[in-house]
Amino acid sequence: GQNIDQPTEMTATEGAIVQINCTYQTSGFNGLFWYQQHAGEAPTFLSYNVLDGLEEKGRFSSFLSRSKGYSYLLLKELQMKDSASYLCAVRENDYKLSFGAGTTVTVRA
Amino acid sequence: IAGITQAPTSQILAAGRRMTLRCTQDMRHNAMYWYRQDLGLGLRLIHYSNTAGTTGKGEVPDGYSVSRANTDDFPLTLASAVPSQTSVYFCASSEEGGTGPDTQYFGPGTRLTVL
Repeated sequence: GQNIDQPTEMTATEGAIVQINCTYQTSGFNGLFWYQQHAGEAPTFLSYNVLDGLEEKGRFSSFLSRSKGYSYLLLKELQMKDSASYLCAVRENDYKLSFGAGTTVTVRA
Repeated sequence: IAGITQAPTSQILAAGRRMTLRCTQDMRHNAMYWYRQDLGLGLRLIHYSNTAGTTGKGEVPDGYSVSRANTDDFPLTLASAVPSQTSVYFCASSEEGGTGPDTQYFGPGTRLTVL
């Protein structure tokens, strides 16, 4: 089973950096995903980590430490359109995903 | 290419009624999934299918059934709806068995209210 924890809400200023942490416990780790979900819309894929380290994609980066059961999503140069929920999801060896409850990020002008 | 489509977009349903939520994908993905999303609980897996002809139970399968007669379609049926099934339902698909990370891609969702 899964126990995935991430903060409920975060607020940041336009142009700033925000780091969303995710901790998890799993019996068979097979990858960690981050999704973005705007209000009333479907989740959309942001990033994937299966090995330790940092994956960078433009303004978004994701980090994974398997030994610590820890990941973070880093959003740089925040824009108003980044206001959304960010979902951490862990995949076990059976390829099914378990999701955290999501972190709602509000970007203020 | 549409990706994943779901129907209806939203529905209000009387308790005890039968309802089928439709999901169709045109990406030829092997695996398909149904989730429900409730405030504060995140996405929870209801049922899944690794390939046409096979289905499996997820975390919250009670009160729901699925079928996978072909690759493209994966309908979710509520045999006798109850108010606790009020939720937003998302269908997703993934390639499964490919060379990539088998990312799941989501449909636009169905907002269901059971009164």
